[in-house]
Amino acid sequence: QVQLQESGPGLVKPSETLSLTCTVSGGSISSYYWSWIRQPPGKGLEWIGYIYYSGSTNYNPSLKSRVTISVDTSKNQFSLKLSSVTAADTAVYYCARETAAAGRDYYYYGMDVWGQGTTVTVSS
Amino acid sequence: DIQMTQSPSSVSASVGDRVTITCRASQDISSWLAWYQQKPGKAPKLLIYAASSLQSGVPSRFSGSGSGTDFTLTISSLQPEDFATYYCQQGNSFPPTFGGGTKVEIK
Repeated sequence: QVQLQESGPGLVKPSETLSLTCTVSGGSISSYYWSWIRQPPGKGLEWIGYIYYSGSTNYNPSLKSRVTISVDTSKNQFSLKLSSVTAADTAVYYCARETAAAGRDYYYYGMDVWGQGTTVTVSS
Repeated sequence: DIQMTQSPSSVSASVGDRVTITCRASQDISSWLAWYQQKPGKAPKLLIYAASSLQSGVPSRFSGSGSGTDFTLTISSLQPEDFATYYCQQGNSFPPTFGGGTKVEIK
């Protein structure tokens, strides 16, 4: 079965760039949307953005100016970069597989596979 | 963005109780709603998708209903492992948005 694992630094300094990678194992990265979601301490969930295996992306407008999501199909990985971080970006960051189809035959079946999450603290 | 409002924000219940959680969207989202369960320190787990479809492996005591703007998650007979926080999430309009969560606590 498909499993996801986040990796990256747990501590990032203010104004620097947060970089995380999600490794997909047990299946191919093809044919799905691959997403990043975050959860500040004690708070709810915020969708950051997704990348389709073909490379097309879509980002939450609230973060769009600072977010870049990329994919490396040869490594079965996708990555998140969030620039100019502040303490407000401190959160548990999750990667997830999102099942949906765009266009005329639209459907949305939610995020069915999640990584365990990685805590990122923004502090000097 | 579409706002998702869950109620109640917390509920105290006993094992065997029937529990109902409501989620209201600020505009019509058709049936593109998912429900997740999250336990402390763990990632969310998909329970229901497309408002009423049970995700594979999820016990049948969980059910979802609704369309348009009003949705419900029901746990027919609460089990000890069901004490957790539940989130709804809409996937009809960009960006996907989550409700604020409902914490199900032991009475």
